[in-house]
Amino acid sequence: DAGVIQSPRHEVTEMGQEVTLRCKPISGHNSLFWYRQTMMRGLELLIYFNNNVPIDDSGMPEDRFSAKMPNASFSTLKIQPSEPRDSAVYFCASRTSGVTDTQYFGPGTRLTVL
Amino acid sequence: KQEVTQIPAALSVPEGENLVLNCSFTDSAIYNLQWFRQDPGKGLTSLLLIQSSQREQTSGRLNASLDKSSGRSTLYIAASQPGDSATYLCAVRGSSNTGKLIFGQGTTLQVKP
Repeated sequence: DAGVIQSPRHEVTEMGQEVTLRCKPISGHNSLFWYRQTMMRGLELLIYFNNNVPIDDSGMPEDRFSAKMPNASFSTLKIQPSEPRDSAVYFCASRTSGVTDTQYFGPGTRLTVL
Repeated sequence: KQEVTQIPAALSVPEGENLVLNCSFTDSAIYNLQWFRQDPGKGLTSLLLIQSSQREQTSGRLNASLDKSSGRSTLYIAASQPGDSATYLCAVRGSSNTGKLIFGQGTTLQVKP
């Protein structure tokens, strides 16, 4: 299995631009998570989906952030408009409900907003 | 509100030492606790998962313990190697009704040859 796939790996954009991050979970996993990691705040859950349905979006910082999961094999996290304080590493993780309960993380997207 | 704390923030040891990383959480009503490893510029890799009903889990040179009542977990690494150098994070899941994990800030470990 290829693991969780995220694209792009690096993104540099200017303030005010729209940013779209993409994630392909591991085939067969029914839960998908979006995290943000910064030095100041550590690793924070933004939103997670079960069976393509958003379950908990309490971590989404503000209306500029939105996430979708149109099918079981694809999810996007969009920031519009982007701001310098959005600069962080964004991780996607997936999991299958069961005995192990382990989340598998993608390599992350490093976002820099100038 | 659940808070997870890891001490120390950083640790440097010579190769071959046994070491202990600490994790504490404020709400003892947890479903499970996981230890992850993160290498620089990479995602997280799950090392060990302890269910709330368990006391410890072992994998190779790693042993994780859980004392739910006191809100503590430890990750014991035996005979440390330079390849163990990484950041170690613990995370708690509050209940079976949520998939949400609350992470600590991590302990950055350096094992010197």
